[in-house]
Amino acid sequence: AQKVTQAQTEISVVEKEDVTLDCVYETRDTTYYLFWYKQPPSGELVFLIRRNSFDEQNEISGRYSWNFQKSTSSFNFTITASQVVDSAVYFCALSDPDSNYQLIWGAGTKLIIKP
Amino acid sequence: DAMVIQNPRYQVTQFGKPVTLSCSQTLNHNVMYWYQQKSSQAPKLLFHYYDKDFNNEADTPDNFQSRRPNTSFCFLDIRSPGLGDAAMYLCATSREWAGGKNQPQHFGDGTRLSIL
Repeated sequence: AQKVTQAQTEISVVEKEDVTLDCVYETRDTTYYLFWYKQPPSGELVFLIRRNSFDEQNEISGRYSWNFQKSTSSFNFTITASQVVDSAVYFCALSDPDSNYQLIWGAGTKLIIKP
Repeated sequence: DAMVIQNPRYQVTQFGKPVTLSCSQTLNHNVMYWYQQKSSQAPKLLFHYYDKDFNNEADTPDNFQSRRPNTSFCFLDIRSPGLGDAAMYLCATSREWAGGKNQPQHFGDGTRLSIL
């Protein structure tokens, strides 16, 4: 069965520190998609990235970077030089044919950036 | 510019009094979703529409209904809200559903529902 594990319930760092949010997934399918969403205190879910299972290249977008490792079934998210505005709950999610491409969500990691 | 718009942002209703939440989109996406999200939890899919085809999740209570009169609008009706239905309700859209064209979902700001 599919599963997404975000073992870190809450992380607190001081502004300008780098921080990595872990995501480990389980799926039987060879074709699948992984997502990260950000949910700030205001409530909306903001799409950050989608990665398909055949693309193992790491991605960088400004201060955000993602490390996809199929060998360890992980899709970790790093924020470099964190800022207070990065404070939010971050969700990792998986979709695959077994789930009829519905999103299987991790429990989320609450990130607190202290000034 | 908001692309998935949910109204109202906050809704208060009485125990057992029907309530309707609305969602509209300017993206012309085929798929619209309704999620329920309770505090400190991940969103839970209630149902989705692929165009006019309605798909209900097996564990969605009968108390929850949905309507999609056209491409742009989708409504969530809660027929007899109970205290356990207090939550954030999120609407989302995506261009396609399955078939290897899995598109990211775009979410509205949500409606926070309180039950008195």
